Amino acid sequence: AQTVTQSQPEMSVQEAETVTLSCTYDTSESDYYLFWYKQPPSRQMILVIRQEAYKQQNATENRFSVNFQKAAKSFSLKISDSQLGDAAMYFCAYRSAHRGSNYKLTFGKGTLLTVNP
Amino acid sequence: EAGVAQSPRYKIIEKRQSVAFWCNPISGHATLYWYQQILGQGPKLLIQFQNNGVVDDSQLPKDRFSAERLKGVDSTLKIQPAKLEDSAVYLCASSLDVPPLHFGNGTRLTVT
Repeated sequence: AQTVTQSQPEMSVQEAETVTLSCTYDTSESDYYLFWYKQPPSRQMILVIRQEAYKQQNATENRFSVNFQKAAKSFSLKISDSQLGDAAMYFCAYRSAHRGSNYKLTFGKGTLLTVNP
Repeated sequence: EAGVAQSPRYKIIEKRQSVAFWCNPISGHATLYWYQQILGQGPKLLIQFQNNGVVDDSQLPKDRFSAERLKGVDSTLKIQPAKLEDSAVYLCASSLDVPPLHFGNGTRLTVT
């Protein structure tokens, strides 16, 4: 079974600075997807960024980028120029690309990000 | 496109009572998921539907939880009878065969 580990329960960053959230995962599969979701107090899970395991290039979405290290099974999220609106719980998630897995999405325990003005 | 709709937004019940949550997925999304998120933890999959069939309910406490997805569209999750440890946010999500999952706003359940 796949597991996702987020070793930082809480992180804080100054507004306009850069912060990196860590995520490691355990899998025996070669083909899968990785995601970072943001969950503000409104509770809705919002997709921040996704990475396909077969792609070597790291995904980027505006101020958000990832450092995907497939051999190390590491998938960190970098937030540049942090804004107050980035404050939220961030979840790393893994999804198999194999139909037999039913495409189940497995989450880490989350990292609470605080942005200080 | 309209997002995943869930209701109610909040629910407070006493232990041993029953409760039901409703979810309407994004139109055309064949796969529907119910997740339980206990405070301070990541969401845990309770049940996954493909159209109106169950493909994974391995972590659903079947002695008290039930779910259905009639006609392969909207879905209802029921708890009967509720326990204190059922206090959590219940998230519904939907997707096409390919990711990502799209989530609703969730229902916060408090069992007293």
